Amino acid sequence: EVQLVESGGGLVQPGRSLRLSCGASGFTFDDYALHWVRQAPGKGLEWVAGISWNSGNIAYADSVKGRFTISRDNTKKSLYLQMNSVRVEDTALYYCAKDQAAGSGYYWGFDYWGQGTLVTVSS
Amino acid sequence: QSALTQPASVSGSPGQSITISCTGTSSDVGGYTYVYWYQQHPGKAPKLMIYDVSNRPSGVSNRFSGSKSGNTASLTISGLQAEDEADYYCSSYVSSYSYVFGTGTKVTVL
Repeated sequence: EVQLVESGGGLVQPGRSLRLSCGASGFTFDDYALHWVRQAPGKGLEWVAGISWNSGNIAYADSVKGRFTISRDNTKKSLYLQMNSVRVEDTALYYCAKDQAAGSGYYWGFDYWGQGTLVTVSS
Repeated sequence: QSALTQPASVSGSPGQSITISCTGTSSDVGGYTYVYWYQQHPGKAPKLMIYDVSNRPSGVSNRFSGSKSGNTASLTISGLQAEDEADYYCSSYVSSYSYVFGTGTKVTVL
């Protein structure tokens, strides 16, 4: 069974840093691209960042570019999101999501999602 | 990376069909066949319902169908059921490993 389990969320002050993690199981981790998607309370989904299976391709939403860094450790089957210079508007439930298609060149959407970790940015 | 535009709400009676639109630009919806639809029930993670405009993942009911014309994609739910009441989000591939979501549509079963 595919499982994605996020952790690392919590209360953080504006301007500070936080690191989110996503542990994976039930699939060949290093075959798939992974993403972070967030959802502010009562709001819609926002794609945040994505990373290819081998970390060779990385992309960010304009809203987080230069502040957030996505990375992965295939030996640990883990995905990370380093959040620096956080802002109040970064407050959201952060989901880890897996590409449906293995490898590169196929973009078939996100077929498995974790349950999310809540990040609250407030002074 | 502006969000794709969806109607805020759509409603229908059990057994009816409803259609949700998703309007983007030639840089996203109109430029690729990589359009997706996700269903999200309250307090739950999103679920992939449609990929590549009109393909259903294994296990998704054939009451859900997708299409696209120009910069607008659509999700049709046929034979509406109470369990279909949820939020629905479209999404599109934008560029290498980059995506954009729609504003979301709340579907109400009357």
